[in-house]
Amino acid sequence: DAKTTQPTSMDCAEGRAANLPCNHSTISGNEYVYWYRQIHSQGPQYIIHGLKNNETNEMASLIITEDRKSSTLILPHATLRDTAVYYCIVNFANAGGTSYGKLTFGQGTILTVHP
Amino acid sequence: ETGVTQTPRHLVMGMTNKKSLKCEQHLGHNAMYWYKQSAKKPLELMFVYSLEERVENNSVPSRFSPECPNSSHLFLHLHTLQPEDSALYLCASSRSWTSAHEQFFGPGTRLTVL
Repeated sequence: DAKTTQPTSMDCAEGRAANLPCNHSTISGNEYVYWYRQIHSQGPQYIIHGLKNNETNEMASLIITEDRKSSTLILPHATLRDTAVYYCIVNFANAGGTSYGKLTFGQGTILTVHP
Repeated sequence: ETGVTQTPRHLVMGMTNKKSLKCEQHLGHNAMYWYKQSAKKPLELMFVYSLEERVENNSVPSRFSPECPNSSHLFLHLHTLQPEDSALYLCASSRSWTSAHEQFFGPGTRLTVL
């Protein structure tokens, strides 16, 4: 699986958008980009995933560059409860879109949302 | 109860003890996972079960022994552990091993080996 690079930590003011970057320059055409987060003392929580197109759900938006070498997770209106470690993961999927559940977590980005 | 549950939430054991961690999912999923999260280290995938068959074993020492009696339950049997095995052990499930876009995690068992 391709490796990802994320900043160690970021700060964000409550109510503002949090933009978390991720580099995955060695990503291959059949690898998805996933984002999970882990709030202190809890298990990780799935946020969103994408392959080529930008994606949006009730939690966040995922912007993937055209060359797919980097992506940005956007939390549009960060709250204090969004303080967590955010993990960007790339994972193999075959041509049929089958994605195996072998996630490789890195160190992630510690996002701190301030009042 | 919904989601993924794990018991116990906290466990302290000696190196000669035998204990088991339990995970249960109420989501109707067919794949279940054990992860280990040590202090200051990323989550490490340990085992994967798909339809009660082990499909992944990431070079985990034999002192960790998984068991999946049915698709809703997953156990991790522990024996003769070392202090460096102290960690947060997380269980997860997904719809299937081959449709695993979203994994649902339990709250974890905090294990301390004395």
